[in-house]
Amino acid sequence: NAGVMQNPRHLVRRRGQEARLRCSPMKGHSHVYWYRQLPEEGLKFMVYLQKENIIDESGMPKERFSAEFPKEGPSILRIQQVVRGDSAAYFCASSPILIGQGGIFGSGTRLTVV
Amino acid sequence: GENVEQHPSTLSVQEGDSAVIKCTYSDSASNYFPWYKQELGKGPQLIIDIRSNVGEKKDQRIAVTLNKTAKHFSLHITETQPEDSAVYFCAAPSGTNFGNEKLTFGTGTRLTIIP
Repeated sequence: NAGVMQNPRHLVRRRGQEARLRCSPMKGHSHVYWYRQLPEEGLKFMVYLQKENIIDESGMPKERFSAEFPKEGPSILRIQQVVRGDSAAYFCASSPILIGQGGIFGSGTRLTVV
Repeated sequence: GENVEQHPSTLSVQEGDSAVIKCTYSDSASNYFPWYKQELGKGPQLIIDIRSNVGEKKDQRIAVTLNKTAKHFSLHITETQPEDSAVYFCAAPSGTNFGNEKLTFGTGTRLTIIP
C-alpha cells in the first residue's frame, strides 16, 4: 500500500515561470491537504480539498496560487509567475477522514526559484 | 483559530538520557494531538498521537502526556539513541466548520542526541 506520493521531489523554476506540484493521496483517502514549509520554519496550512471541491483555502496567498483535486488523477498545487519568496518545501497530506483526527504526509516537493 | 506554542526550539541530550518537548494550545475544544518527526530532506512522519479521552499514551520509548485543564501536552523520549536526532513538531486540530479540518503546527524542536 503506497503512501502519499508527491512529484517531483525537486523542482527548479526561473522567476516568472509556473510551477505544478502533484500529490496522489493514499488509497482510500479522500481528503487532501497542502502545507508549505519555509527553511528553518514549521508547516503552514495552505488548502484543504476533497474530490472536485475546495473546502478551505484560508492559507493560500490570494494571487498566483491555486489548487485542485479532480475526480480522476492527483491533486495539483499550481503557482503562477513564481518569485524567489515561493522557494520552500511543499508537503501534501491525506487522511481518510478529517486530518484533525489523523493524517499522513508525503515526502514533499522542494521548489527552488532562481 | 488554534494557536500552538512549542518549547524548546533546540534540545541537546546525551545518548541514553531522556528528552522532553512541550506544547501548549489555545482551543479548549481540540481533542486530538499528534507528534511528527521530520528528518532532513524528508516529510513529517507521525510517531504518536493522543486523544483527549486519555491522559497518557506510550509506544516503546516514546510517550505523550496530555493535560486538558492546562491545555498542554508533552512528548517524552526515553533511552535516546542517535537515530532520534531530528526535528519534532506538535500539532493540534483547528477549523471553522468542525474544528478539525486542519492541523496547526508548533514551530518545531531540533533534537540532537550526543553520542
